[in-house]
Amino acid sequence: DADVTQTPRNRITKTGKRIMLECSQTKGHDRMYWYRQDPGLGLRLIYYSFDVKDINKGEISDGYSVSRQAQAKFSLSLESAIPNQTALYFCATSDPGTTQETQYFGPGTRLLVL
Amino acid sequence: GNSVTQMEGPVTLSEEAFLTINCTYTATGYPSLFWYVQYPGEGLQLLLKATKADDKGSNKGFEATYRKETTSFHLEKGSVQVSDSAVYFCALSDLSFQKLVFGTGTRLLVSP
Repeated sequence: DADVTQTPRNRITKTGKRIMLECSQTKGHDRMYWYRQDPGLGLRLIYYSFDVKDINKGEISDGYSVSRQAQAKFSLSLESAIPNQTALYFCATSDPGTTQETQYFGPGTRLLVL
Repeated sequence: GNSVTQMEGPVTLSEEAFLTINCTYTATGYPSLFWYVQYPGEGLQLLLKATKADDKGSNKGFEATYRKETTSFHLEKGSVQVSDSAVYFCALSDLSFQKLVFGTGTRLLVSP
């Protein structure tokens, strides 16, 4: 079984809808991240969390919110989806104590906003 | 701020050719440097890393050397295979906040 899972894997939604992307991990890592990937732009950090009580904005947090429900779960919400949020979204985890800066990625969620 | 610049792709090679993908960085201090690989339909996975100047990271026949004097971390492989076709991302770690900064990615296409 994968250590970092994301649901759904694919999602089509309409402008203005609220949607949630979920991430779960069995690695026991404290740190979790959400990125989006766009062609020609690489990965950009949306939000990150260093533990359940710690949430931080990344470089492109506008239009997004997150919830860290437990050490193993980190959800990303789009309160009112817009077409330019069409992208591939990745969740990642890390643990400085054991893996240093290495991050472990989920398989991604492909989101299309019409 | 910290940034990573890598060569644009796609890079198209025949099997057994030599591969170089260039990566340069701008950073304060001495970050750790990484190469991640993304195979079609999958998430990113760590390929190799180096944590200090002159360190060489290696894995699966790929190598990269941390060059502080040229602020570079170029990825090389002596003989590529079709199975190496993927997108390769160079990244650095912001040591202050334990975040990764990624380059834009370079797509490698290897033909038989």
